[in-house]
Amino acid sequence: GQNIDQPTEMTATEGAIVQINCTYQTSGFNGLFWYQQHAGEAPTFLSYNVLDGLEEKGRFSSFLSRSKGYSYLLLKELQMKDSASYLCAVRDSNYQLIWGAGTKLIIKP
Amino acid sequence: GAVVSQHPSRVICKSGTSVKIECRSLDFQATTMFWYRQFPKQSLMLMATSNEGSKATYEQGVEKDKFLINHASLTLSTLTVTSAHPEDSSFYICSARGQADWGEQYFGPGTRLTVT
Repeated sequence: GQNIDQPTEMTATEGAIVQINCTYQTSGFNGLFWYQQHAGEAPTFLSYNVLDGLEEKGRFSSFLSRSKGYSYLLLKELQMKDSASYLCAVRDSNYQLIWGAGTKLIIKP
Repeated sequence: GAVVSQHPSRVICKSGTSVKIECRSLDFQATTMFWYRQFPKQSLMLMATSNEGSKATYEQGVEKDKFLINHASLTLSTLTVTSAHPEDSSFYICSARGQADWGEQYFGPGTRLTVT
């Protein structure tokens, strides 16, 4: 079966750095996405990785290792507005998105 | 980035009635549209995938006669919840993708349905 694992909840301090991990087992791989979702709102796109390595976009970076079935989202200089759920999704061989359950990130002052 | 709209953003209806939710791609042609449902504190659950001009493909456990999906044009898909019940109360989100299978999915803002 297809499976995506990410921690249910994480807590971090404003101004700090946090890394949210995602491991996956899917039938085929055509890219990995990270989305941010605030409570009561739809997901918004953060990053996309299809090749191994690190993609940096401002305060957010995403890393992928296809051989390990592993990705992480790194958030730097955390702000209170970063409190949200972060969803990892993998596009499989049928180009369907397989979603993780999401990681709720709580930022404390 | 591409914009997807949903209407209405919130709807309250009585049990037994039907509700239609519209999803529109505003600045691109959406060959494929996806309908998701999300219960509180849970992840997105794909309900169905629709391609323009074709019948929707429903995920296992989703009743196609209850959740009617129409994707009549490249910019519009509708989801009709028929004979709604309180357990259908949820956050319904659509997303749209262009012609390429590898294209990004763009999400609408979601519709909060409450059935009383």
